[in-house]
Amino acid sequence: DAGVIQSPRHEVTEMGQEVTLRCKPISGHDYLFWYRQTMMRGLELLIYFNNNVPIDDSGMPEDRFSAKMPNASFSTLKIQPSEPRDSAVYFCASSSRGREQYFGPGTRLTVT
Amino acid sequence: AQSVTQPDIHITVSEGASLELRCNYSYGATPYLFWYVQSPGQGLQLLLKYFSGDTLVQGIKGFEAEFKRSQSSFNLRKPSVHWSDAAEYFCAVGPYSGAGSYQLTFGKGTKLSVIP
Repeated sequence: DAGVIQSPRHEVTEMGQEVTLRCKPISGHDYLFWYRQTMMRGLELLIYFNNNVPIDDSGMPEDRFSAKMPNASFSTLKIQPSEPRDSAVYFCASSSRGREQYFGPGTRLTVT
Repeated sequence: AQSVTQPDIHITVSEGASLELRCNYSYGATPYLFWYVQSPGQGLQLLLKYFSGDTLVQGIKGFEAEFKRSQSSFNLRKPSVHWSDAAEYFCAVGPYSGAGSYQLTFGKGTKLSVIP
């Protein structure tokens, strides 16, 4: 299996621009998670889906953040408008039946 | 609320020496426990997991961890460290509600440096 795929791997954008991060989970996995990692706050869960349905989005920091999962093989995390404090590494992870999670390589976002 | 504490932010060991990384958790019932490793610029890779049964679990790359309920600990060990083990290690705890809800809480991580 190819593992969890994320794109882009690096994104540099200016404050106020829209940013879209993409994730393809492992085939057959029914859970998908979005995390953010920063030096100050460590690894934080933003939102997770089960069978394409958002289950808990309490970790989403603000209304500027939104996530969708239109089908079992694709999810997006969107930030609009972006701010410098959104700079972080964003990880997508997937799991089968909510057991161990497998992480993608991450997207390093820099907002200037 | 569940929590995970990794008391050591940074550990340095010599190549060939033994290693133990500490992890303490707080949770009301028996949790699911995990150790992940993150190399620079990479995602998190699952090293091992504990769900139930034997409290000593074996993982990849020669790592093992022991679940001690009385101490609320899940320490990671390796008898002989290799230079390639230099990375950051994360302990995580997750409940299983039975209803399919499953979230992980991660520790802050322990950065391991290996002296040749």
